[in-house]
Amino acid sequence: GESVGLHLPTLSVQEGDNSIINCAYSNSASDYFIWYKQESGKGPQFIIDIRSNMDKRQGQRVTVLLNKTVKHLSLQIAATQPGDSAVYFCAEKTGGGNKLTFGTGTQLKVEL
Amino acid sequence: DVKVTQSSRYLVKRTGEKVFLECVQDMDHENMFWYRQDPGLGLRLIYFSYDVKMKEKGDIPEGYSVSREKKERFSLILESASTNQTSMYLCASRSRGRVAPSTDTQYFGPGTRLTVL
Repeated sequence: GESVGLHLPTLSVQEGDNSIINCAYSNSASDYFIWYKQESGKGPQFIIDIRSNMDKRQGQRVTVLLNKTVKHLSLQIAATQPGDSAVYFCAEKTGGGNKLTFGTGTQLKVEL
Repeated sequence: DVKVTQSSRYLVKRTGEKVFLECVQDMDHENMFWYRQDPGLGLRLIYFSYDVKMKEKGDIPEGYSVSREKKERFSLILESASTNQTSMYLCASRSRGRVAPSTDTQYFGPGTRLTVL
């Protein structure tokens, strides 16, 4: 079946370094992708999204890259801070429906 | 900013009890969703509602029902709680464009961690 997955379950980075979190998706018909951040004990928080007609989108300290050729999505966080420590997961939407398919997440740990 | 609130952060219930989880959003969103989140499984959709009194089953509706009598409120009901329903429950909402601009983004509440003993 179709799935959204992540390459690494845990990513450790030094404070101030850039972080890259990856997501592989298998449904080539997916047309919308979202990155969420979830801190311990809290609900997922929207970070950034991208549509399939784009390959890059930038926000504040975050960039999402979409490579449709290899069905790969990445989230780049510039100058990672301790407050960025959380689980990050991607989600995809296929077609005009209401449903999102979520990945299981990557734990980002920021070391001082 | 979108605000989605859930009635309880933590809840402990006994097997067989009827459990109500409440979710309220203040942005006049048409769509509302209930998910459960379990380690290693990600978010799984239980039910969603695309309008008042409208509902549709998600991927794992067994053991659950929902109610949407008002646009801002979406309730998840566990008819007879069981230990395998111990989980984090997350509510989300999304605009379909009748009031706020349409978006595919779902906005989440803080979650209710339910323990069934």
